[in-house]
Amino acid sequence: EAAVTQSPRNKVAVTGGKVTLSCNQTNNHNNMYWYRQDTGHGLRLIHYSYGAGSTEKGDIPDGYKASRPSQENFSLILELATPSQTSVYFCASGDEAGAGSDYTFGSGTRLLVI
Amino acid sequence: GDSVTQTEGLVTLTEGLPVMLNCTYQTIYSNPFLFWYVQHLNESPRLLLKSFTDNKRTEHQGFHATLHKSSSSFHLQKSSAQLSDSALYYCALSNYQLIWGSGTKLIIKP
Repeated sequence: EAAVTQSPRNKVAVTGGKVTLSCNQTNNHNNMYWYRQDTGHGLRLIHYSYGAGSTEKGDIPDGYKASRPSQENFSLILELATPSQTSVYFCASGDEAGAGSDYTFGSGTRLLVI
Repeated sequence: GDSVTQTEGLVTLTEGLPVMLNCTYQTIYSNPFLFWYVQHLNESPRLLLKSFTDNKRTEHQGFHATLHKSSSSFHLQKSSAQLSDSALYYCALSNYQLIWGSGTKLIIKP
């Protein structure tokens, strides 16, 4: 069954440390997305990718980097984690939204930066 | 730019009453897709229903919505709320990617 898998499910990081969140999809979708979700802010787009080797900035990219080494994998990197980055992070994959493709989401990663 | 507005941040209803969650949008595209996603507690968002066709009712899992391009609206409705409908609901609009509303938290009480 096609799916989006995120790892880890939970992560505690120290301030100033490096954090890597991983996402793997078996949907063969071209596009992948990283969102964070905070109470009162809904889903906010951090980075996205149109395919292997491409990354684009979303609405709130500061403090985050992304990497898309293959069609299946898309990582979110926090080089210097800060407490303000404590959140729930969702990865999603999809084809062309303008053509009606919906997104499939992973189960999320709960990140606590202390 | 394109945008989606969900005016209610929180809706609280008694079980059995009708549900209506508001969604309006702005877009330069003449033929957008509109989506409703539902997210239950400690789960990820999943597609509830979507529509492209003006004035056509779309139904899924007891919920329905009709895209009205004349009023740029795509309200989500259900005739009788169930306790299991308690969740966060997002309306979204397509351009080259999904543009999300801020979400409406629906709480159904016995």
